[in-house]
Amino acid sequence: GENVEQHPSTLSVQEGDSAVIKCTYSDSASNYFPWYKQELGKRPQLIIDIRSNVGEKKDQRIAVTLNKTAKHFSLHITETQPEDSAVYFCAASREAAGNKLTFGGGTRVLVKP
Amino acid sequence: SAVISQKPSRDICQRGTSLTIQCQVDSQVTMMFWYRQQPGQSLTLIATANQGSEATYESGFVIDKFPISRPNLTFSTLTVSNMSPEDSSIYLCSVEDVTATNEKLFFGSGTQLSVL
Repeated sequence: GENVEQHPSTLSVQEGDSAVIKCTYSDSASNYFPWYKQELGKRPQLIIDIRSNVGEKKDQRIAVTLNKTAKHFSLHITETQPEDSAVYFCAASREAAGNKLTFGGGTRVLVKP
Repeated sequence: SAVISQKPSRDICQRGTSLTIQCQVDSQVTMMFWYRQQPGQSLTLIATANQGSEATYESGFVIDKFPISRPNLTFSTLTVSNMSPEDSSIYLCSVEDVTATNEKLFFGSGTQLSVL
């Protein structure tokens, strides 16, 4: 089955700096890669996703890049703000398999004011 | 987008007992899933709840421990049976909403279970 590795497990940045989280996956048939943000005591919420026919996607301060050959994808947050502090999870799935997501281990991001 | 109601939101249970968690969606959905999130950990898929048939369990999870019902396209239950302290986790229902313009997989607010 799919295995998703996520690094780093914790990340502390100064407000205004950039944050980068990296994930690798094992199943070359995976073609859907979402990122979820989970604030303390809340449910995971999708912040951005990318499909395997696209190399990069951007939404305001958030961007995701995908390297299919190397089987890795990354989340980039620019101009970080205190409200970006949360746990971020990457995930991978084969869309044809009913969107059964395999999650990475999570990255706890702390943005220091 | 799909609105998911999950209950109870939290419970404290004695070991050896069972707890049934309910997940109600405000629209018909094809795919419903149950995830477990152990303290400080990531999300692990327990099973896919299939409407009108037995759930499909992931490796490491069995029907006797986590029986699942899915009587229709808007409702599912997960039972955590014969609980032990190791079952203390957050249990999350999730649904795939193919009509959503952006988010595809929605999560319920979760059930925080503590087993004494």
